[in-house]
Amino acid sequence: AQSVTQLGSHVSVSEGALVLLRCNYSSSVPPYLFWYVQYPNQGLQLLLKYTSAATLVKGINGFEAEFKKSETSFHLTKPSAHMSDAAEYFCAVSGLNSGYSTLTFGKGTMLLVSP
Amino acid sequence: DVKVTQSSRYLVKRTGEKVFLECVQDMDHENMFWYRQDPGLGLRLIYFSYDVKMKEKGDIPEGYSVSREKKERFSLILESASTNQTSMYLCASSPFSGRAYEQYFGPGTRLTVT
Repeated sequence: AQSVTQLGSHVSVSEGALVLLRCNYSSSVPPYLFWYVQYPNQGLQLLLKYTSAATLVKGINGFEAEFKKSETSFHLTKPSAHMSDAAEYFCAVSGLNSGYSTLTFGKGTMLLVSP
Repeated sequence: DVKVTQSSRYLVKRTGEKVFLECVQDMDHENMFWYRQDPGLGLRLIYFSYDVKMKEKGDIPEGYSVSREKKERFSLILESASTNQTSMYLCASSPFSGRAYEQYFGPGTRLTVT
């Protein structure tokens, strides 16, 4: 079984500040991990994914995430927030359901960016 | 680019109606998924399909059924809509069954049941 915990349902930052969105996972198999972003009234868009290659993964829009097995974490960061980063972010872990691959999502973190 | 389309962005239905939500993907993907998204609960998997005419239950299948008659199309059916099924419904697809493959999402259908 697998699960994802995202710490903080809302995170507020100022424009230009560091963005840190936290994700901890639990998985009975070596994890594959994903971060998605959802802008208002849209579907989810993949930001980046970890599939057991490099532990530091770079994604779109300047985001990156580091896989830390010892901490069971996959936190998302961006050095300098932009107003356009305001959105909801979801962390997900890949698992098996009846032998088929499915994703288990966290509850999401809303990122608020102030001028 | 992968494109996943959903038949309606907004839908209003009455309690007890039969509701069909349609999803089409244009990339010949093997797997398709239906989720519902509620504030504070994230995305929860309703059903998924790994092949034509095949389906598997997700985490919250009660009150829903699905149909996949063609590879590119996956329908979610609410046999008798209830107010607690008011939600955002998201369809997704992925190319293969391996765990490393991401899912591609449609824009969502916001369903209101009155």
